[in-house]
Amino acid sequence: GQQLNQSPQSMFIQEGEDVSMNCTSSSIFNTWLWYKQDPGEGPVLLIALYKAGELTSNGRLTAQFGITRKDSFLNISASIPSDVGIYFCAGRRGNNYGQNFVFGPGTRLSVLP
Amino acid sequence: EADIYQTPRYLVIGTGKKITLECSQTMGHDKMYWYQQDPGMELHLIHYSYGVNSTEKGDLSSESTVSRIRTEHFPLTLESARPSHTSQYLCASSEGTNNGYTFGSGTRLTVV
Repeated sequence: GQQLNQSPQSMFIQEGEDVSMNCTSSSIFNTWLWYKQDPGEGPVLLIALYKAGELTSNGRLTAQFGITRKDSFLNISASIPSDVGIYFCAGRRGNNYGQNFVFGPGTRLSVLP
Repeated sequence: EADIYQTPRYLVIGTGKKITLECSQTMGHDKMYWYQQDPGMELHLIHYSYGVNSTEKGDLSSESTVSRIRTEHFPLTLESARPSHTSQYLCASSEGTNNGYTFGSGTRLTVV
């Protein structure tokens, strides 16, 4: 069954606003990934996190690996229209729980001009 | 630039037809995956492979089958397409254990 939750499920923001979204789990994860999917395309990897407390940036995007290892956050600063899409988190628990990543249900972002 | 390729990009086919969705990657990745995704919805893992001659079913039951005869190629086959198979099918690959997946652009399948 699904192990990751993402909030909010969807959000509508004005261009220029900052965006925050998170991903939570009841289990500890060793690796967190954040993907963005444009309409009609496959997801593209934005940021990978490998260590609790790690804070990593990619341009206007910043993601953090939660200290508890049960959550991760993604922030987008000064949003622009091309930020529209679905943002998926993905986590991997560790070798004892299989090698595949588990994907969250996604946060759907709409940016109003 | 994408190094994983899916064909066709779009496919409309009649009920009962046999179809094969192609997926190829040029990165030499050992692991490959197939996900099913309804528009704007969650990703559901339907098949995966950790190497040549290795295939496993994913979390979501699927009537499709896969094969992995070559490292770079991971085709998905539906023996008899039905309208319930209408969806987007995404192929992905990865190397090692903790590296992220690289996704293809997907095949949008419509069964009429």
